[in-house]
Amino acid sequence: ILNVEQSPQSLHVQEGDSTNFTCSFPSSNFYALHWYRWETAKSPEALFVMTLNGDEKKKGRISATLNTKEGYSYLYIKGSQPEDSATYLCAIKPPRGNTPLVFGKGTRLSVIA
Amino acid sequence: GAGVSQSPSNKVTEKGKDVELRCDPISGHTALYWYRQSLGQGLEFLIYFQGNSAPDKSGLPSDRFSAERTGGSVSTLTIQRTQQEDSAVYLCASSSLAGGPTKQYFGPGTRLTVT
Repeated sequence: ILNVEQSPQSLHVQEGDSTNFTCSFPSSNFYALHWYRWETAKSPEALFVMTLNGDEKKKGRISATLNTKEGYSYLYIKGSQPEDSATYLCAIKPPRGNTPLVFGKGTRLSVIA
Repeated sequence: GAGVSQSPSNKVTEKGKDVELRCDPISGHTALYWYRQSLGQGLEFLIYFQGNSAPDKSGLPSDRFSAERTGGSVSTLTIQRTQQEDSAVYLCASSSLAGGPTKQYFGPGTRLTVT
């Protein structure tokens, strides 16, 4: 069974603080990693899809890195704003053909103004 | 452009009743997925459709759950004889390609409450 672990489970930060959280996965069962942001009462929104070891992607104040050899990805938010408050989901696409994504339980971020 | 839509947005039903949840994927997307998120849990895969291929039903939790995708577009998830443990947010997603590093586009979900 492919297990995707996210930590911390929840996080409270002050506006302006930078923060990061982790997604861990078995390096032997990896094809692609997805990060999604899920705001309350909205649809989960794709942030990044990453496949290559050492890859780093950036979207505004949010960036992500990927280490496929050790099985982890970090998501960084620089200068957190209240609108960043959401649940951040990590999902792994296993290498076997048309298999679905396996999601972690998410990190719930609250940014306090 | 139009995204993935789901209906209803909220559904309250009595235990033992049947419910149908609808998903309209993005036009042209060949892959369609159903997930659910129960309280305190991660997104749980339920079923996946890809073009005209037989659906991957490996995530359906019991035979009370079924899904159809008509004409390669709209999908309906049916839960028969609902139980309280079926209460969850049911999410639908679609993508342009199955597998690979392709983003999935999610609908807003249907919040199902079984009383």
